[in-house]
Amino acid sequence: DQQVKQNSPSLSVQEGRISILNCDYTNSMFDYFLWYKKYPAEGPTFLISISSIKDKNEDGRFTVFLNKSAKHLSLHIVPSQPGDSAVYFCAALGNQFYFGTGTSLTVIP
Amino acid sequence: NAGVTQTPKFRILKIGQSMTLQCTQDMNHNYMYWYRQDPGMGLKLIYYSVGAGITDKGEVPNGYNVSRSTTEDFPLRLELAAPSQTSVYFCASRPWRGSQETQYFGPGTRLLVL
Repeated sequence: DQQVKQNSPSLSVQEGRISILNCDYTNSMFDYFLWYKKYPAEGPTFLISISSIKDKNEDGRFTVFLNKSAKHLSLHIVPSQPGDSAVYFCAALGNQFYFGTGTSLTVIP
Repeated sequence: NAGVTQTPKFRILKIGQSMTLQCTQDMNHNYMYWYRQDPGMGLKLIYYSVGAGITDKGEVPNGYNVSRSTTEDFPLRLELAAPSQTSVYFCASRPWRGSQETQYFGPGTRLLVL
């Protein structure tokens, strides 16, 4: 049973525009959420995280929003750059890390 | 500081063969993990370890074994390879359970079982 879901397998955005990646989860006991970025033939690398006591965390061009009542989080990238093209995984921490299936972002120059 | 290293990068196995995927971290992390990623899927936890001598099963442990004799190394053993084990395997490490610090991943091992 998939406890963390990313319903959009892919997303294409023009360079300079906003990219919004979405993630839903089912377990209300999750207390920490993360976004990872993955390039082909490499392991995932940490991008940004948010604790369940917050609703927003910002790091440069990347902002993560958490809506606990909706069990939903999103990653905003502004402005999007071609180098942001990668697969993005969201993850939630319960008794272990649970990962979504990933969204492949393509930023078109 | 190499972080998390994995060997080999790629391997082809015949059905029924065995092999060990190696994972080493030089960050003195307590926690280590093995994941597999199938096409179009997220990472699934196979096994994890909270320290030397302690291991536990994750979501998909069947067909695998692990050991943790040192803090640095966490090898994953496939005893009788099956086509269903064709996947990309990632090893990861993390400092300690109470920390919300992220996991650090290795570059992955691509395994093809024919």
